[in-house]
Amino acid sequence: QKEVEQNSGPLSVPEGAIASLNCTYSDRGSQSFFWYRQYSGKSPELIMSIYSNGDKEDGRFTAQLNKASQYVSLLIRDSQPSDSATYLCAVNQKNTGNQFYFGTGTSLTVIP
Amino acid sequence: NAGVTQTPKFQVLKTGQSMTLQCAQDMNHNSMYWYRQDPGMGLRLIYYSASEGTTDKGEVPNGYNVSRLNKREFSLRLESAAPSQTSVYFCASRRQINTEAFFGQGTRLTVV
Repeated sequence: QKEVEQNSGPLSVPEGAIASLNCTYSDRGSQSFFWYRQYSGKSPELIMSIYSNGDKEDGRFTAQLNKASQYVSLLIRDSQPSDSATYLCAVNQKNTGNQFYFGTGTSLTVIP
Repeated sequence: NAGVTQTPKFQVLKTGQSMTLQCAQDMNHNSMYWYRQDPGMGLRLIYYSASEGTTDKGEVPNGYNVSRLNKREFSLRLESAAPSQTSVYFCASRRQINTEAFFGQGTRLTVV
């Protein structure tokens, strides 16, 4: 079982819709969770971090964390074609100390 | 503010050749990481350095060596390159455990 798992997609949504991206992790003691966006040929860039159960909102982005169920999700409201990218989930797991694991990423396409 | 700088950006090697990928950060971060990214595989951790003077293996360390030269610099060395090491390599750094990581622009390496 991989430490961090994501549905690789591809996920396609129409412009203006809500895109929902999901991530599960294996270590129940994980403490910090991150979503990155990566455009083709570019390096990953941080969108959001979340540390506590519940929702965290930043503009059109909402991260949701449920530690009991060991999943973290990212919602993108009013999706735009510029949101088309691969979204990577990253988890700092308690049992691996300073190691920082990423999921395989979900490819999102927003259709105009 | 340069952030994380990697050199070179592109490299072609012949099988058996050696080379060193350089990474430097100017954010006074304690931890530094080397990842490789292959299609469908996401970011896989090669080696990391939790703090100056320490290095540890990640998921895929075979065929690589690293040096944490000082707090700013973390290099990745391929002693005898193999075609299986054709990949995009990313260096990342972060202030400490449970904080977000920042990435360099990547090195696209091809081994023929």
